[in-house]
Order: sequence, then structure tokens, then C-alpha cells
Amino acid sequence: NAGVTQTPKFQVLKTGQSMTLQCAQDMNHEYMSWYRQDPGMGLRLIHYSVGAGITDQGEVPNGYNVSRSTTEDFPLRLLSAAPSQTSVYFCASSGQVTTAPNSPLHFGNGTRLTVT
Amino acid sequence: AQSVAQPEDQVNVAEGNPLTVKCTYSVSGNPYLFWYVQYPNRGLQFLLKYITGDNLVKGSYGFEAEFNKSQTSFHLKKPSALVSDSALYFCAVSPYSGGYQKVTFGIGTKLQVIP
Repeated sequence: NAGVTQTPKFQVLKTGQSMTLQCAQDMNHEYMSWYRQDPGMGLRLIHYSVGAGITDQGEVPNGYNVSRSTTEDFPLRLLSAAPSQTSVYFCASSGQVTTAPNSPLHFGNGTRLTVT
Repeated sequence: AQSVAQPEDQVNVAEGNPLTVKCTYSVSGNPYLFWYVQYPNRGLQFLLKYITGDNLVKGSYGFEAEFNKSQTSFHLKKPSALVSDSALYFCAVSPYSGGYQKVTFGIGTKLQVIP
């Protein structure tokens, strides 16, 4: 059981380049999300999805796009990379989409992105 | 707005001694509370949660946490620390309603267990 799989593990981009961070889960989870982790700031929510075809913005959505065409996949797109987007990115999922988030999130192992 | 405070950037404890990692929170209404652990170059892993009921919650790897409503705290504890417990620990809070997008994480506390 793979859980949440993120690719790539590491990426270096030049300012202005675009790329897609991949996230896939095999647990049939409805809820999927992207966080970025920065020193001294904890985890901040970028975008999330409560099911295929449904996405919404989190706390720090600027510069990022998402789509959810299948239950399994939730890619994160950086349209024009900036040094401020240097961070570690985590994808997380959960089987619940009710208004009571009382089950834990399942996290991938992260993508470490550096923008020069 | 809801918030989570982890007042210590780092906690050092000798192996075999009890450990405490502190967390206080602010949320409207009753909270869901979680602790996660992050090992180097890995994602966060769930340790334990408080939903309702008993104020002392037991979780994975011998960890437990005590919910104190009057002090709005949810401190993580372990009776005897292991070197392998060295990691980054995150407290998280969510209100009863609003979905996972309402989960707020603390900034993390680095636990260093000294042999």
C-alpha cells in the first residue's frame, strides 16, 4: 500500500520556469491538499480539493494552480517560479470530506524545491 | 482566528527521562487536536488525536497527550524518551466544523534526545 506518493523528491528551477509537482494516492481519499513548509512558519495550506472536479484556495494560493480530474491525482502547478517559492511541498489526503475533520491527514514525503 | 502555539523551538532531554512538548491553541468552540511527527526528509506522520471524552489520549510509540480545556493546552508527553524519538513535532487544531481546510498547524518543536 503506497499511500501518498509525491514526485519529484528534489527540483531546482530558474526564476520564471514552470513545473508540475505530482501527487497520487491509492487510498480512494476524497480530500487532497497541498501544503508548503517553511522554517519558522509551520505548514501553510496552498490549495485543496474535496473530490474530483472540485478545488479551492487555501491560505497561500498565489502563484500556484491545481486541478483534480481523478480521485487519485492532485497535481500542483507553478506557473512562473519565483525565489519566494523555494520551500518543501507536501501533499496530504484524508478519507473524510464531512465538516468534521476528526481523522488524521496522510502525508507524502515531500518535494524540496529550490528556485534560483 | 484560530491559532496554535508551540512555545519551544527545541526541547532537549536525556534518554530515559520523561519528555514534554508543549502546545496551546485558540479555536472557536470545541477543538479537534492532533500531534504529528516528522522525521528527516519525510512527511508528517500521525501520532494521536483528541476528539472528545477522556482528557488523556494515548497514541503511537508510547506517546500520550493531555487535553486541558481551561488552559487550552494539549501537551505531548512520554514517560521515557528514546534516541529514536528525536524528530520534529507538530501540534494541529481544527474546529468541529469547517473541513480539513480549517486545520491549523503549529510551527513545530524539534525534540533532541541525548544518549
